[in-house]
Amino acid sequence: EIVLTQSPGTLSLSPGERATLSCRASQSVSSSSYLAWYQQKPGQAPRLLIYDTSTRATGIPDRFSGSGSGTDFTLTISRLEPEDFAVYYCQQHGTSPSFGGGTKVEIK
Amino acid sequence: QVQLVQSGAEVKKPGASVKVSCKASGYTFTGYFLHWVRQAPGQGLEWMGRISPNSGGTNYAQKFQGRVTVTRDTSISTVYMELSRLTSDDTAVYYCARAGGCSTCYGWLDPWGQGTLVTVSS
Repeated sequence: EIVLTQSPGTLSLSPGERATLSCRASQSVSSSSYLAWYQQKPGQAPRLLIYDTSTRATGIPDRFSGSGSGTDFTLTISRLEPEDFAVYYCQQHGTSPSFGGGTKVEIK
Repeated sequence: QVQLVQSGAEVKKPGASVKVSCKASGYTFTGYFLHWVRQAPGQGLEWMGRISPNSGGTNYAQKFQGRVTVTRDTSISTVYMELSRLTSDDTAVYYCARAGGCSTCYGWLDPWGQGTLVTVSS
């Protein structure tokens, strides 16, 4: 099983700042296409943000971007909007799927 | 639009089983895998398993093997997840989600159902 470790656990930032979230895999993700990112707000289901490491899902603004390969992946939010404060999860789905533990982006 | 609508909240006693449904609409039901993911209170996401609505074939996370069964009824575009021998550790919100992606992978998940809270308590 591939274990995904997200860091930091919590990111305290102000609106307008840049957020950089990390996702590290215990072994190489079989294809960079097999890495996705989700956003979850309290009381809501997760929402797909990024798939294939760097492709934005339908309706996702371009301030969200993804990058990486092998075992190291990054989600970047270029300028935080008030609605971006939430928990973010990475997921690999090449083998039996697994999720990272999440990064909470909170208002500083 | 693509929509997944789940059944309502459940309260179960330890040792019992629970069966949660997920009704799909807005797309060809047999064209996409459907997955189940759970989230314990205040915790992260945990993948449980998936089903091919076309063939009925399933894959389960090792942790849940022998305790989870995912089935489908193509006549009503509905998938079911049954979890047996419940304990308090199974208290969680259970989500269904449709898979996108490739034929050689499990796929990213989009969209998700609204979630079903299952509470296990004596």
